[in-house]
Amino acid sequence: EPEVTQTPSHQVTQMGQEVILRCVPISNHLYFYWYRQILGQKVEFLVSFYNNEISEKSEIFDDQFSVERPDGSNFTLKIRSTKLEDSAMYFCASETAGRTDTQYFGPGTRLTVL
Amino acid sequence: RKEVEQDPGPFNVPEGATVAFNCTYSNSASQSFFWYRQDCRKEPKLLMSVYSSGNEDGRFTAQLNRASQYISLLIRDSKLSDSATYLCVVPLYNKLIFGAGTRLAVHP
Repeated sequence: EPEVTQTPSHQVTQMGQEVILRCVPISNHLYFYWYRQILGQKVEFLVSFYNNEISEKSEIFDDQFSVERPDGSNFTLKIRSTKLEDSAMYFCASETAGRTDTQYFGPGTRLTVL
Repeated sequence: RKEVEQDPGPFNVPEGATVAFNCTYSNSASQSFFWYRQDCRKEPKLLMSVYSSGNEDGRFTAQLNRASQYISLLIRDSKLSDSATYLCVVPLYNKLIFGAGTRLAVHP
């Protein structure tokens, strides 16, 4: 069964450093998403991406964040200058048709900012 | 009113019990709804979709009351493996809005 993959599984970084979280969505999917979950809190939407551009972004997704689909398979989330409060699980999700019928989630990257 | 609100839990039940979770949502225009399951430190996984009045899949039954903007999930004959957090999820345009989740612990 096809699945969304994410690397690394755990990333530790110093405050102020840049991090890039990587995702490989399911191959025939066209819509891609990033969500985050701070420990003990709910899953929160960050950004949706379709046709090589952002469709929607939340208030959390400020100028420190960017997304890119650099080739036909990877989908990345970059945080330019990490803050302590960026520590969270980051989940990538993908979907065939953008109706939010079934978004498939990757296993997540745990980001720890020290 | 929060966009998606759930029973806070935790629910501690013995094996074989029937347990029900409730969820209310604020956007009356929402047409579809989901229950996801999340194990500790893992990704959310789709459990059930609800498009009309309800849906049943084995031991799991989801019901929708559009007038009251209320969704429920019923688990019958609970198993130890049902222990997890159950997330009520409502799509809104290009994103999923998650509730805070209800934790279920099934004990022998």
